[in-house]
Amino acid sequence: NAGVTQTPKFQVLKTGQSMTLQCAQDMNHNSMYWYRQDPGMGLRLIYYSASEGTTDKGEVPNGYNVSRLNKREFSLRLESAAPSQTSVYFCASTGGRFNEQFFGPGTRLTVL
Amino acid sequence: QKEVEQNSGPLSVPEGAIASLNCTYSDRVSQSFFWYRQYSGKSPELIMSIYSNGDKEDGRFTAQLNKASQYVSLLIRDSQPSDSATYLCAVKGRGSTLGRLYFGRGTQLTVWP
Repeated sequence: NAGVTQTPKFQVLKTGQSMTLQCAQDMNHNSMYWYRQDPGMGLRLIYYSASEGTTDKGEVPNGYNVSRLNKREFSLRLESAAPSQTSVYFCASTGGRFNEQFFGPGTRLTVL
Repeated sequence: QKEVEQNSGPLSVPEGAIASLNCTYSDRVSQSFFWYRQYSGKSPELIMSIYSNGDKEDGRFTAQLNKASQYVSLLIRDSQPSDSATYLCAVKGRGSTLGRLYFGRGTQLTVWP
């Protein structure tokens, strides 16, 4: 099992450009999450999806959109990137007997 | 607002010592507690979970939970330089079927040889 995978690993954008971060999991988990992590701020939840077809806002959803494409895939889209969105983005999924959460390797995004 | 607080650190211990990492949480009905280890430049990795009051041991790691005091801790015995990382405490509230976790900001641990 690959667990949670994310693409790309690194990305540099100019202000105003758009992009989609991809996430997939092969653990048959129902719930998936997008976080951002900034120095001194810890992990902050952007959006989450309890199951295929549902999405909900987290703590910091402004400037982002998500799509739960199917049970495996959950994408995060930046429609018009801003320097404040420079961060490391982690995708995670939750499931299993103890409802534990597992993270992908992350995407380092820089917006110039 | 669910809050999770960790001792701010950084924490520095010599090799072979016991490292003690602490976490308090505000939501009294929380039922599930997790410790993640995050190496610099890497993603968080789940190392311990605990659901009942008391101690849970896994190798050199011991998680301790006291729900009355709303306190959870992680002890690392015989600390090794490879334990140097940031440790994140995470809490899931009862009734949350979404698996949503609330994270502390982490404690940076350095183990020096």
